[in-house]
Parts: sequence; C-alpha cells; structure tokens
Amino acid sequence: ETGVTQTPRHLVMGMTNKKSLKCEQHLGHNAMYWYKQSAKKPLELMFVYSLEERVENNSVPSRFSPECPNSSHLFLHLHTLQPEDSALYLCASSQTPGASDTQYFGPGTRLTVL
Amino acid sequence: GQNIDQPTEMTATEGAIVQINCTYQTSGFNGLFWYQQHAGEAPTFLSYNVLDGLEEKGRFSSFLSRSKGYSYLLLKELQMKDSASYLCAVRDSNYQLIWGAGTKLIIKP
Repeated sequence: ETGVTQTPRHLVMGMTNKKSLKCEQHLGHNAMYWYKQSAKKPLELMFVYSLEERVENNSVPSRFSPECPNSSHLFLHLHTLQPEDSALYLCASSQTPGASDTQYFGPGTRLTVL
Repeated sequence: GQNIDQPTEMTATEGAIVQINCTYQTSGFNGLFWYQQHAGEAPTFLSYNVLDGLEEKGRFSSFLSRSKGYSYLLLKELQMKDSASYLCAVRDSNYQLIWGAGTKLIIKP
C-alpha cells in the first residue's frame, strides 16, 4: 500500500470520447505529479502541482488537461486523444515539489485509445 | 542532452546475485534513485544515493560513483518475487528527475 490510489485502473476509449483519470494521495504531501509510461521508454513527466498550483507543464498537448482541486486530489481530463496516447499513466506525490523528495507512485491507469 | 542508460533486460537464477548498472549524463547531480516496478503495479522506492559509496538495505545494495557517472543496484539471494523492472533516476541541478527506461529482470528457478 503506497498511499496513492488511482482510478480507473484500466480505460479503453475512442478518439472522440472525453474521460477523466483520478488520483488521490493519503500521505499528506504537498506536491503531485502526472507521468506517462510507454513500453521500454523512460517515464515522461507531464505535469507538476505544488499546493494546488501548476508549476510545470512539459509541452504536453492540450488534449490532456490537469486539475488539482486540493492537495490530496489530482485529475487528468482527456479529450480527442490519439492512438499514440495509449500508455500507462502514473500519478505520484512527494512532500515538497521539484523532485526534492522521494516520490511515491500510484498503480497507474492503463489507457488504450482506439 | 541528459541521458540515463541501463540494460533493457537481464536474466538471473534464483538464489544467485545480480548487478544492474546505470550510467548517467546529466546537468548537475543531486542524487540518484532506484525504484522497483512489478508488472502492472506502481514503481516503489528502493534506494537513494547522493554520496559516493555503497548503501546496503537487506538483500539490496546500491552503489554510486559521481566521478564516473555510474551506479549499480546489487540484489543478493534472488527470489522469484524479485522479477520486476528496476528504474534508475537522477535528480539534476534543477531538481528535476531524469529517468532511465528501466531494466527488466527475469528470475529463473
């Protein structure tokens, strides 16, 4: 049990659908992250939130839209995705932002775009 | 550019020892992490090195040489449950984590 939960665990969607991924951390951390993990590739940092404010957006296409309503919850809203967006999407949290602490990961959402 | 290199896949025998190497070229250095990731599960933190030398934690040890841009993860007395991917990540001068692609470790009986 890592203290970071993600739902759903699996998601299949068409290119015209709109869906949202949810992440919740129960560790009292102040920073939350979205990563994309594709097979045999390094983790790609997508977004970083610190105390509910976005502090980093690594040139992610606008079809991915993050939301952080409070320090415990993080969403990733998806719309008009492409098949190449199929991947494992991981959420992580840490005590402070900017990777200055150990990050703790959720189990991920396996996304398939048809 | 920044780069982390680690072998794509390794195979070892149950009860044996295996060493997974990681070399890095980054803009500055503020620590190196090793994570374990079982298939379909979250990466979990294994170790952190910021100074040169060996850090031992049970069956797992991690070594760092900053002058060589090199680290390894040593797993002893291998168990079947150690079959997983092992991710190396380096924190650069901007405190950004740079990740390797991971090493898939296969343990055979």
